[in-house]
This record gives sequence, C-alpha cells and structure tokens, in this order.
Amino acid sequence: SQQGEEDPQALSIQEGENATMNCSYKTSINNLQWYRQNSGRGLVHLILIRSNEREKHSGRLRVTLDTSKKSSSLLITASRAADTASYFCAALTGANSKLTFGKGITLSVRP
Amino acid sequence: DGGITQSPKYLFRKEGQNVTLSCEQNLNHDAMYWYRQDPGQGLRLIYYSQIVNDFQKGDIAEGYSVSREKKESFPLTVTSAQKNPTAFYLCASSTGQGARGNQPQHFGDGTRLSIL
Repeated sequence: SQQGEEDPQALSIQEGENATMNCSYKTSINNLQWYRQNSGRGLVHLILIRSNEREKHSGRLRVTLDTSKKSSSLLITASRAADTASYFCAALTGANSKLTFGKGITLSVRP
Repeated sequence: DGGITQSPKYLFRKEGQNVTLSCEQNLNHDAMYWYRQDPGQGLRLIYYSQIVNDFQKGDIAEGYSVSREKKESFPLTVTSAQKNPTAFYLCASSTGQGARGNQPQHFGDGTRLSIL
C-alpha cells in the first residue's frame, strides 16, 4: 500500500518562482524523506525530517512536517530550470524501518 | 568517488530466460535494497539486505531472487516466473544505521529491463 501520496501530480512554474509540493501519509512515521529524480536516472536524497521536527532548511529547500495532519511539504525557493525533475516523498515506518515511496510529482521549471 | 554502480544500463529478456542485474557499492554500507519503478507507480521494494549473507523479501518479491555474498555486491535475478518484468530497476544502499535509523538511501542510476 502507498504510504506517501504527493500532491499535485504535476507542477509547471516559471524560473524564479517558488514551488510547493505536498505529501500525505497514513501511519505513524520515524522520519520523512524527500528525493529528486532526473529523467532516466536514480534518486538523489534531498532532505530528511524526523518525526519530532517541524521544519528543516537546506539551501533553497524548506521542508515542514505536521504529524497531526500526517502531512509534509517541500518548498523550493527561486526555482531554476535545473530543478526540473520528479520529486518523491518517502516515509520511514515501523519496526523494520521500511521506506515507502509515493508516486512522485513532476516539476517543470520554464526558463 | 564513492557510489553505487548498476549494470547493464539496458537489458533485454527473452521469454523463459533468467537475467541478472548487477549492483556494486563502494560506500562501505551495510544495507542494500532493490526497487522496481513502473510509470506512475513510484518505487516498490523487491528485496533488501541489512548484512552479508542475509536478506528479506520486500513487497513484491515473487519472481525475483537475490544473494548477498559480499558486502559490496547485491545482484538481483529476474526469473522466468516474473511474468511482467518490464520496468526500471533501482538499487540503493545505506549505512547499517540507515536501515533502522535516520540515514538516507543512496541510489544507482538504474537498469531498464524490457521483454524481447
């Protein structure tokens, strides 16, 4: 079953604008991770937020976590054409600490 | 540079044939994973291994087999029992803490498998 569900499925913005992507999950998590995937390539880890954290920053990335709503958001500020990729949230859950991925969001940044 | 190498990049399978996908890492990671990615479905876990000579089934293990004889290597065999093998296969690794802790997974660049 899908643990992370991203929203929207696709997002198209102009270079310089901010991009906000949302992720919802179903059960209690140990942490939530965001990954980026360029076309035909592997996933690259972007940022990890623990269940006891509410907000985290890394360069132009800002991640928030609301455990009461079982949701997370990824904000990319001042987007660039190079940010064009698919973005996945992944929830780490359970005693076996399994990482479960969502279906991904396709972000297009127009130059 | 440390990383994960998957080979080949493209692979074609004939009906009734077993094929093996290679995954090698030089990150000194204890845990390794195999995922399958289909269009619009995200990543699904096939098998994972937290230590040499040990591995566990993931969510979609049927039709696949793995071995973990060396820390650096985690090959995946797609057997003839897997009736719909066409997909993008991704290998990942993490530190021993990562499988049960808070460390991210590092991914290879994948193998695209198609049916002839």
